[in-house]
Amino acid sequence: GENVEQHPSTLSVQEGDSAVIKCTYSDSASNYFPWYKQELGKRPQLIIDIRSNVGEKKDQRIAVTLNKTAKHFSLHITETQPEDSAVYFCAASIGTSGTYKYIFGTGTRLKVLA
Amino acid sequence: DAGVTQSPTHLIKTRGQQVTLRCSPKSGHDTVSWYQQALGQGPQFIFQYYEEEERQRGNFPDRFSGHQFPNYSSELNVNALLLGDSALYLCASSYDRATDTQYFGPGTRLTVL
Repeated sequence: GENVEQHPSTLSVQEGDSAVIKCTYSDSASNYFPWYKQELGKRPQLIIDIRSNVGEKKDQRIAVTLNKTAKHFSLHITETQPEDSAVYFCAASIGTSGTYKYIFGTGTRLKVLA
Repeated sequence: DAGVTQSPTHLIKTRGQQVTLRCSPKSGHDTVSWYQQALGQGPQFIFQYYEEEERQRGNFPDRFSGHQFPNYSSELNVNALLLGDSALYLCASSYDRATDTQYFGPGTRLTVL
């Protein structure tokens, strides 16, 4: 069935270290993979996304990698800061224009220790 | 350029009641998707509206229904509320493309007593 698995569920890192969150999707037809950051009581905010025609995308301290063969994609945050502390969700777009939807992972609670 | 807005912010209802939540999409967007986010969970897809029709639905009962208006705004209706319906309800708007980003509204926190 349609599923996105996300690991780990919680992650604590020291300020300045790197954090990696991994997701696996089930539908090989998925072609768009966004990552959202959600702070307590707030809406999910898009932080980076990747489409299936590229393998890696970087935006300052944040990068996403995609392995379509293995159906894996990962979020990498370097030089973590306390304000990076939040819950991070991965998602995979399933379907085609006219019939698509997002399937979300279960979230990773990242805590950056000062 | 206004972002996605939702109303109300918070809502308290009792079991068996009905509720209507509202969403206005980001300017220029024509597609609205609704999600339910239980505490500590990821958003769960309820349904999606485009051209005033529901065209995709998740695993939610018929108690959950919706509507999209000609101006692309949307409503989510939930009938016969259950305690388990307590959650944050998020709407997200986008263009009608599978590879397009969905932008979320601030959500409506529904509490069912």
